[in-house]
Amino acid sequence: EIVLTQSPATLSLSPGEGATLSCRASQSISSYLAWYQQKPGQAPRLLVYDASNRATGIPARFSGSGSGTDFTLTISSLEPEDFAVYYCQQRFNWPPLTFGGGTKVEFK
Amino acid sequence: QLQLQESGSGLVKPSQTLSLTCAVSGGSISSGGYSWGWIRQPPGKGLEWLGYMYHDGNTYYNSSLKSRVTISVDRSKNHFSLKLSSVTAADTAVYYCACGSNWYEYFQHWGQGTLVTVSS
Repeated sequence: EIVLTQSPATLSLSPGEGATLSCRASQSISSYLAWYQQKPGQAPRLLVYDASNRATGIPARFSGSGSGTDFTLTISSLEPEDFAVYYCQQRFNWPPLTFGGGTKVEFK
Repeated sequence: QLQLQESGSGLVKPSQTLSLTCAVSGGSISSGGYSWGWIRQPPGKGLEWLGYMYHDGNTYYNSSLKSRVTISVDRSKNHFSLKLSSVTAADTAVYYCACGSNWYEYFQHWGQGTLVTVSS
């Protein structure tokens, strides 16, 4: 099973600042990684798939990068609605499809 | 725009079977453009993948559930279902149905989620 480790667990930032979230895989997963955003009481929302492709309707301030074992989700300038929990998910070697433990982006 | 909606019992007794249905609107399950899955999230915790069904009916499950899980589809009703047998308190979670484009095992569209509590 591929384990995804997200860091940091919590990121304390202010609106307008940039955010860099990390997801590390226990073995190479090529570019088969997605990022999701989840707000309290809501279902996750797909942001990025295959490491760097923004999903439909996702603002350009969200960008994904990486390949192999190290991946990054960058939010260029935080909007108030971006404070949420972010998960990564791999589809390279499955079953099982696996998710990371999440990074919470909170108000500083 | 595809929409998904979970329904089913919100309270299940230990050792019984949890049954949920995901109704699909805004598109047809039979169209072949999507594959379907179930994910759960225990209160205050992260996401756990349960199972995935391709448009052709091939189905894959999380082996950590030890063969307790079954996903099926009813094309005439445009819905798909989850059954989880022999439940315990550890199965208490918000259960989500979701789908994504074929051959991309990601989840583009999600239901709102339904809380299932296992308790006597």
